[in-house]
Amino acid sequence: ETGVTQTPRHLVMGMTNKKSLKCEQHLGHNAMYWYKQSAKKPLELMFVYSLEERVENNSVPSRFSPECPNSSHLFLHLHTLQPEDSALYLCASSHLDRMGEAFFGQGTRLTVV
Amino acid sequence: RKEVEQDPGPFNVPEGATVAFNCTYSNSASQSFFWYRQDCRKEPKLLMSVYSSGNEDGRFTAQLNRASQYISLLIRDSKLSDSATYLCVVRSNDYKLSFGAGTTVTVRA
Repeated sequence: ETGVTQTPRHLVMGMTNKKSLKCEQHLGHNAMYWYKQSAKKPLELMFVYSLEERVENNSVPSRFSPECPNSSHLFLHLHTLQPEDSALYLCASSHLDRMGEAFFGQGTRLTVV
Repeated sequence: RKEVEQDPGPFNVPEGATVAFNCTYSNSASQSFFWYRQDCRKEPKLLMSVYSSGNEDGRFTAQLNRASQYISLLIRDSKLSDSATYLCVVRSNDYKLSFGAGTTVTVRA
């Protein structure tokens, strides 16, 4: 059971496809995040949104496009991905001043073929 | 040099044993520190924040050594349910959070 919900849980897409990942939180947090977790590698912070504004973009390729329409929802739009983008994509939320105390969604396991 | 380094393990221990492991960080200006646990094919979950004076939460004890730039986690009286990967997390500024690759602990009956 989690206060952060991600859909879909699994996604297989071709390199020419366009898809979106969705994240929703009902914890009253004011910040949301996208992370990437590849096998045997540390979590990588991709994007930080606070009060629906992007405050950090850790040099992520433009084929990943985030959208935060309100403080409870976060999307990650995907287009023309590469096989090396296959990974677990995790959404998280927190109070911005307590960024280290985050709640994670269950993740979307993405496979690019 | 990696920002956060952890011994990947695995640490294989019997039930009831004590297990301890460290995490080192490279940025001396780091502000706050955390331990998360991640079960296989699950999301990370916050285990505990690490305070300057050290802190305990039940069977778990976390310590911070700023001079040597490491944090530690000690688990007493290990349970089977403690089997997981433990992630060290360091916050170095307002929007920078760095994760270690994790230390795997396996508790056997």
